[in-house]
Amino acid sequence: GAGVSQTPSNKVTEKGKYVELRCDPISGHTALYWYRQSLGQGPEFLIYFQGTGAADDSGLPNDRFFAVRPEGSVSTLKIQRTERGDSAVYLCASSSGLAGYTDTQYFGPGTRLTVL
Amino acid sequence: AQSVTQPDIHITVSEGASLELRCNYSYGATPYLFWYVQSPGQGLQLLLKYFSGDTLVQGIKGFEAEFKRSQSSFNLRKPSVHWSDAAEYFCAVAPSFSGGYNKLIFGAGTRLAVHP
Repeated sequence: GAGVSQTPSNKVTEKGKYVELRCDPISGHTALYWYRQSLGQGPEFLIYFQGTGAADDSGLPNDRFFAVRPEGSVSTLKIQRTERGDSAVYLCASSSGLAGYTDTQYFGPGTRLTVL
Repeated sequence: AQSVTQPDIHITVSEGASLELRCNYSYGATPYLFWYVQSPGQGLQLLLKYFSGDTLVQGIKGFEAEFKRSQSSFNLRKPSVHWSDAAEYFCAVAPSFSGGYNKLIFGAGTRLAVHP
């Protein structure tokens, strides 16, 4: 079956602009995660959804970052007033949500965001 | 706070040679432990995971890892490396009392190059 998909694969924007990054999880997966991977670093947790609700948003760096998952499937990560330091690869992962901490997270290929 | 250290940024091995990638974690209790591989243009793929029980875990692609509580380590090994193993490898931990989901904390990664 299809894996996690993310669009766009690359996004170039100017400082101060607004961007939206989209994640399509594996069909039927109720758990969805966003991570951010800066150059030369491992991914850093941003937010976790179980169904439609954000169960843990402790990794969002500030209030310019927001994510939604209105129907419990597709999720959008929204970044307002982008800054050069927001440049990174944004990764989405989904898991079945059925096995708790033993669930395997399946990652998408990521969206590379470049803020000029 | 939990943290993960991967001491080796780059490793080069010859095809057919054995491999060991190091991972050390900092956490008060026994965390859940993971190894992921990231190939160019691909999403992160889970190689193996440890939650409890036998401290030697087998994964996909011929990889194994051993949890050593006394050394706070979870090193990844492969007896004979193939050219297709060239990729970036990430060790990750998740708190064992996470409320039923895994907020993964990743190391900075080790880039593996394989010489023919």
